[in-house]
Amino acid sequence: GAGVSQSPRYKVAKRGQDVALRCDPISGHVSLFWYQQALGQGPEFLTYFQNEAQLDKSGLPSDRFFAERPEGSVSTLKIQRTQQEDSAVYLCASSPTHLYEQYFGPGTRLTVT
Amino acid sequence: KQEVTQIPAALSVPEGENLVLNCSFTDSAIYNLQWFRQDPGKGLTSLLLIQSSQREQTSGRLNASLDKSSGRSTLYIAASQPGDSATYLCAVRPIYSGGSNYKLTFGKGTLLTVNP
Repeated sequence: GAGVSQSPRYKVAKRGQDVALRCDPISGHVSLFWYQQALGQGPEFLTYFQNEAQLDKSGLPSDRFFAERPEGSVSTLKIQRTQQEDSAVYLCASSPTHLYEQYFGPGTRLTVT
Repeated sequence: KQEVTQIPAALSVPEGENLVLNCSFTDSAIYNLQWFRQDPGKGLTSLLLIQSSQREQTSGRLNASLDKSSGRSTLYIAASQPGDSATYLCAVRPIYSGGSNYKLTFGKGTLLTVNP
């Protein structure tokens, strides 16, 4: 079946622009996660959804980062007033519940110029 | 706070060689440990997942071991091939304690190059 998909795959933004990154999880997966991977680093946790509820946003680096999953399926990570330090690969993962293995999407590479 | 370290950061080997990648973690209270492969510009592909009660897992030419008490895991790749060239990441998941046991903590990865 279809895996986790993310769009766009690549995004170039000028500093100060707002961006929106989309994640389509595996159908029926209750849990959805966002991770940020800076160049040369491992992914770091950003936020966790259970259905439409955002249960953990402790990893969001600043209040410029906002995530939503209004109908418990597709999720959007929004970054306002992008800064150069936001340049990274943003990975989305989903799982049947939070206790199960997480399945990762291909990521969105964001470059802020 | 859990910290995961992977050594070496980069490794270059000739085709056909057997090799070992290392992963260490500071907090032994883990639920499981997972090895991933990441190709340039791609997401994470899960290779092996070892539960905390297990000592090793095998898939084809890959074998992963886990020594939870010493905070170590190794990924053994037999008869390496150029197609194995990628970054290998390990990640640990904490035990369930009523809190955030869904947060994976990753190492920085080992960049493997297998030369023909």
